[in-house]
This record gives sequence, structure tokens and C-alpha cells, in this order.
Amino acid sequence: GAVVSQHPSWVICKSGTSVKIECRSLDFQATTMFWYRQFPKQSLMLMATSNEGSKATYEQGVEKDKFLINHASLTLSTLTVTSAHPEDSSFYICSALPLQGFKETQYFGPGTRLLVL
Amino acid sequence: GDSVTQMEGPVTLSEEACLTINCTYTATGYPSLFWYVQYPGEGLQLLLKATKADDKGSNKGFEATYRKETTSFHLEKGSVQVSDSAVYFCALTPNAGGTSYGKLTFGQGTILTVHP
Repeated sequence: GAVVSQHPSWVICKSGTSVKIECRSLDFQATTMFWYRQFPKQSLMLMATSNEGSKATYEQGVEKDKFLINHASLTLSTLTVTSAHPEDSSFYICSALPLQGFKETQYFGPGTRLLVL
Repeated sequence: GDSVTQMEGPVTLSEEACLTINCTYTATGYPSLFWYVQYPGEGLQLLLKATKADDKGSNKGFEATYRKETTSFHLEKGSVQVSDSAVYFCALTPNAGGTSYGKLTFGQGTILTVHP
């Protein structure tokens, strides 16, 4: 149990296009999901906290107009990288905090690798 | 703000060797502490956790003890296997509620390679 999926796992796009990444909790409900960015050989950096039915909360330095987050249901959050540029190339990871159970345990998706040409 | 510092990697060991990955933290109050593992090509998985001082988390032969006096949460295993090769992340989350609830602060990760 407690599986989180991300789609797509890999995406290559041209500079200036927008890319949408989906994060789904497959067998549990999550009112809160988190989006992270991981650079090569570096730690995960929290980008934003996504709460179902409300606006996302962005960490300092993260452009909310660049990284649009929508948490439309208790099992789905999406991250849209708008007008992507090469510097947005990275590994994006989501996690979900279960509605029930031990609330401090987050479950992570496998990540989405974005390459902007 | 909160921070987590892990020992620099990569760490290379022979099978059956002892493992220690150091982790220290800076946080206000009494955070919960975690070790996550990321196997090649997979997402992060929770390896073990401790929620209060002197708690010992354990799983798959790995152990870590929450030491408030030294603000540490070192990961240990007595005998590593090739299958333990992965990236290990130490992390914390505040126990207080509010806007910080659930937010994880990660260390930089330590790459472990175990040779047969």
C-alpha cells in the first residue's frame, strides 16, 4: 500500500513550452502533497506545499507563476512548468501526506526527469 | 531555519562491513527525524524514523537513535549487503503544527556503494 505515482517519468521539451507533471496517490487520500526539486548529486529542495481545494504555498525563491500547482482532488496534484527554459531541467519529485494514519510519514513518487532543450 | 547535515560521500564498503552515516541537525523544538533511502531508478522510501529523544528507529538491519543532547541521528548497520547500495537521506520535520506541518528538510544525501 501507500503508492504514489508520477507521470510522465521522463519528458523532453523545447524551450518556451509548458510541461505538466501529475502526482497521484493510488491507494490513499492525501490532503497535502509536496513538490520537490532535486539537482544532480544534491539534496531535495522543497518547492511548494499543495493542499487540496486551496492555493499552494510556495517556498521562498520559487516563482509561483513559473511553477503552477493544482491540487484538484484528494488523490491528484499537478505541477505545470510554464514557458520552460534549460535552467528548469531537473528531477521533480512529489510526495503525499496521508489523510489517515501516521501523519508524519510522507510517501514519495518515483520522480519526473525534465530536460528542456 | 531548520537544517540537516550529513557526512560527505560517497561511501564505498565491502559486503559485511559495518556502516555508519553521520547526521546532525539544527531545529527549534523537538522535530521528528527520518532516514530515507533512494535505490537506483526508484523514489525515496522511508527507511526508519524516530519522533522523540532517545527513540531508536530500526528497519532491515539499519538503526538510528535520536540523540537530542548531540542533535544527531546517525545511521548504522552491522553488516551491509550489495543490495544496500543506494543514496541515503537524513531528514527532519517539525512536530509543531501550522504552516510547517509535514515539511521535510533533507540532508544532502550520502551515496553508498557496497562491493561483493
